[in-house]
Amino acid sequence: DSGVTQTPKHLITATGQRVTLRCSPRSGDLSVYWYQQSLDQGLQFLIQYYNGEERAKGNILERFSAQQFPDLHSELNLSSLELGDSALYFCASSVGGDTGIYFGEGSWLTVV
Amino acid sequence: GQNIDQPTEMTATEGAIVQINCTYQTSGFNGLFWYQQHAGEAPTFLSYNVLDGLEEKGRFSSFLSRSKGYSYLLLKELQMKDSASYLCAVSAYGAGSYQLTFGKGTKLSVIP
Repeated sequence: DSGVTQTPKHLITATGQRVTLRCSPRSGDLSVYWYQQSLDQGLQFLIQYYNGEERAKGNILERFSAQQFPDLHSELNLSSLELGDSALYFCASSVGGDTGIYFGEGSWLTVV
Repeated sequence: GQNIDQPTEMTATEGAIVQINCTYQTSGFNGLFWYQQHAGEAPTFLSYNVLDGLEEKGRFSSFLSRSKGYSYLLLKELQMKDSASYLCAVSAYGAGSYQLTFGKGTKLSVIP
């Protein structure tokens, strides 16, 4: 158990819909990261927050947005969903930006 | 940008030794991480190298050469449970933040 909690674990939704994925980082970790992993694809970095502020942005679509709240939990919002958005979405956290990161178990999103 | 290369697949025999190589090109290099990921599960942290040389942790060792942009993960006394993907990840500083970029992973199959 990494200490990073993600909900929901599984989600099935229709195209065009909107979903929110939630992440609670490890106790004491200020940085939260979101990654997307499609079938047979590597981990694609989406976005990073540090203590409530956006720190780095990767290959995140405009239909996706995220935020980190004062209690340090984070949410990833995915809207106007397409079939190609079906993937495993990981949240990870770390103390700072220059250390290893610890992953949650992921949220499986299936868009039908 | 960053470029991380590692073999797509490898096969090795139970009880043997296997070396998984990773080469990278990046600016602002901070360190290199290895993660293990079983299918459908979260990546788990294995090792971290920031200086040149070998880091040993039980059956797993990781080596780094910063001047050559090269690292390897060495797995000894292979067990069936070591069948997994092994991800090389590079931490680099740029645009005001550290980013961790993952390679596509090496899928290791351990056979009896």
